Amino acid sequence: SQQGEEDPQALSIQEGENATMNCSYKTSINNLQWYRQNSGRGLVHLILIRSNEREKHSGRLRVTLDTSKKSSSLLITASRAADTASYFCATDEEGGTASKLTFGTGTRLQVTL
Amino acid sequence: DSGVTQTPKHLITATGQRVTLRCSPRSGDLSVYWYQQSLDQGLQFLIQYYNGEERAKGNILERFSAQQFPDLHSELNLSSLELGDSALYFCASSVHPEGETEAFFGQGTRLTVV
Repeated sequence: SQQGEEDPQALSIQEGENATMNCSYKTSINNLQWYRQNSGRGLVHLILIRSNEREKHSGRLRVTLDTSKKSSSLLITASRAADTASYFCATDEEGGTASKLTFGTGTRLQVTL
Repeated sequence: DSGVTQTPKHLITATGQRVTLRCSPRSGDLSVYWYQQSLDQGLQFLIQYYNGEERAKGNILERFSAQQFPDLHSELNLSSLELGDSALYFCASSVHPEGETEAFFGQGTRLTVV
């Protein structure tokens, strides 16, 4: 089963615009991570935000986390054609003796010139 | 390059057959995860090993099994293959077993069952 649900499922923007993707999850977490996947390729880690953090930046990426609403957002500023990919949130659930990342359904981002 | 190597990249096989997918984790990573990605099910966690021992189990079918060897490479065995097993199979590795840090993914093995 999917822990996270990304919204929107697909997003099409022009180069230079900002892209915002949202993720909702169901259980308490230790951390939330965002990954990017180019078509048919492996996933690449973008950023990790811990449950006690509210906002984190990495280059053109800004991630927020609201544990009270069980939601996170990923903002990509000044998008480029190379940002075209699918973006997934992944949660590391709290309380397990062993954990695994549970991935959401993904947002497909298309950045056009 | 993530440092995680998966072989083979592509595999085409018939229903009822058995295949083995191989994964070499990033140097120094003790934890290995296997995921299945299909169009209808998304990215599903299958199983995790840490330093040779099974650590967590997800949506792994009984027809599937995995192991992690002393040199830390891992194999995922899929048997009695069905058409629905066609998917991308990813291996990932991380330093910690508890998911405290990022996971590094291989490029995947695309399995097609015909």
